[in-house]
Amino acid sequence: NAGVTQTPKFQVLKTGQSMTLQCAQDMNHEYMSWYRQDPGMGLRLIHYSVGAGITDQGEVPNGYNVSRSTTEDFPLRLLSAAPSQTSVYFCASSFSGRGGDTQYFGPGTRLTVL
Amino acid sequence: AQSVAQPEDQVNVAEGNPLTVKCTYSVSGNPYLFWYVQYPNRGLQFLLKYITGDNLVKGSYGFEAEFNKSQTSFHLKKPSALVSDSALYFCAVRALSYNTDKLIFGTGTRLQVFP
Repeated sequence: NAGVTQTPKFQVLKTGQSMTLQCAQDMNHEYMSWYRQDPGMGLRLIHYSVGAGITDQGEVPNGYNVSRSTTEDFPLRLLSAAPSQTSVYFCASSFSGRGGDTQYFGPGTRLTVL
Repeated sequence: AQSVAQPEDQVNVAEGNPLTVKCTYSVSGNPYLFWYVQYPNRGLQFLLKYITGDNLVKGSYGFEAEFNKSQTSFHLKKPSALVSDSALYFCAVRALSYNTDKLIFGTGTRLQVFP
């Protein structure tokens, strides 16, 4: 049971480039989400999904796209990278995303946009 | 507005002393409260949560948290700190929305335990 996995661990992009951050979970969780972590700002929700084929925007969705074709995978796409997107990105999953349900986090991807 | 606040950016404590990391919240209805810990260059690890029932919640690594409804607080505590407890701690509250309950995080408190 690998839990939540993320690739790559580190990435450097130039402004305007696009890339996809991968996230996968093997716990059969319905709810998956992407956060970004910036100093002094805690974690902010980018996008989330309550099941395959269903996605919705979080607090800071601009510049990011997601899709959920399977229960296991929830990739995050940066369409045209900007320096403001330099951050650490965490993927998380849980059974339902409701009430007292615990979210489990991946190890993170550290992204630098030059 | 639903929110969670961690008023201290950093808490310093000597090894063996008790530690407290503070958290206050503001939500509509009954709160679901969580504590997570982040070690350097790692993801967030779940420590404990309050859903309902006993106000004192026990979690991993000897940590506990006390839910206080009147003060809207959920402070994290440990009777005797270890150097290995040094990490970044996040409080989070689940806030109701129309189709899912979003998890709102505080800004984090860095705990430094000195030998």
